[in-house]
Amino acid sequence: GNSVTQMEGPVTLSEEAFLTINCTYTATGYPSLFWYVQYPGEGLQLLLKATKADDKGSNKGFEATYRKETTSFHLEKGSVQVSDSAVYFCALSRYNQGGKLIFGQGTELSVKP
Amino acid sequence: NAGVTQTPKFQVLKTGQSMTLQCAQDMNHEYMSWYRQDPGMGLRLIHYSVGAGITDQGEVPNGYNVSRSTTEDFPLRLLSAAPSQTSVYFCASSYSDGGGAGYGYTFGSGTRLTVV
Repeated sequence: GNSVTQMEGPVTLSEEAFLTINCTYTATGYPSLFWYVQYPGEGLQLLLKATKADDKGSNKGFEATYRKETTSFHLEKGSVQVSDSAVYFCALSRYNQGGKLIFGQGTELSVKP
Repeated sequence: NAGVTQTPKFQVLKTGQSMTLQCAQDMNHEYMSWYRQDPGMGLRLIHYSVGAGITDQGEVPNGYNVSRSTTEDFPLRLLSAAPSQTSVYFCASSYSDGGGAGYGYTFGSGTRLTVV
């Protein structure tokens, strides 16, 4: 079946540190891949997406590259800020699946000043 | 732009009570879905709909019913609330790319439900 696995958190970093949150997926065919962010007490917001192999999604300094050979979609940011503290979810959707999203378990990021 | 509106934001129920969580979208999206969020488990799909009159089960459908009589509305009904249904519930909508994958996913702000 289809699944998404993220690195476990919480991840604690100092401001301006480099961030990597690993995400790997299992799916047949060519899923679309997403990163969502959830700030404390809020709903989910789309952070970035990629719809085909080798695509790079980017937004607000965050990047992730769709790697089909390693079935991965790792999230990176060169210099994190305190305001990036949130829970990050990797997700996939598949062709002909009626818009269903399959989520990883989420990774909590805490950035200290 | 309202996007996806969920009501109520908070609810406390007693075991055995029933209730309906409301979800409405104003973007004319074909696809709508309900997720529950539990600590350490991410979001799990409860039910989804690909259009008015069409619904299907997701990963964790037991104890929940849905219907989709209009494009805009997708209510989630708890038939007989149990403590295991204590969770945060999110409704989402998206449009079709023509191939069945969803795009433009928009989430509501969530309903925090406690069953005592």
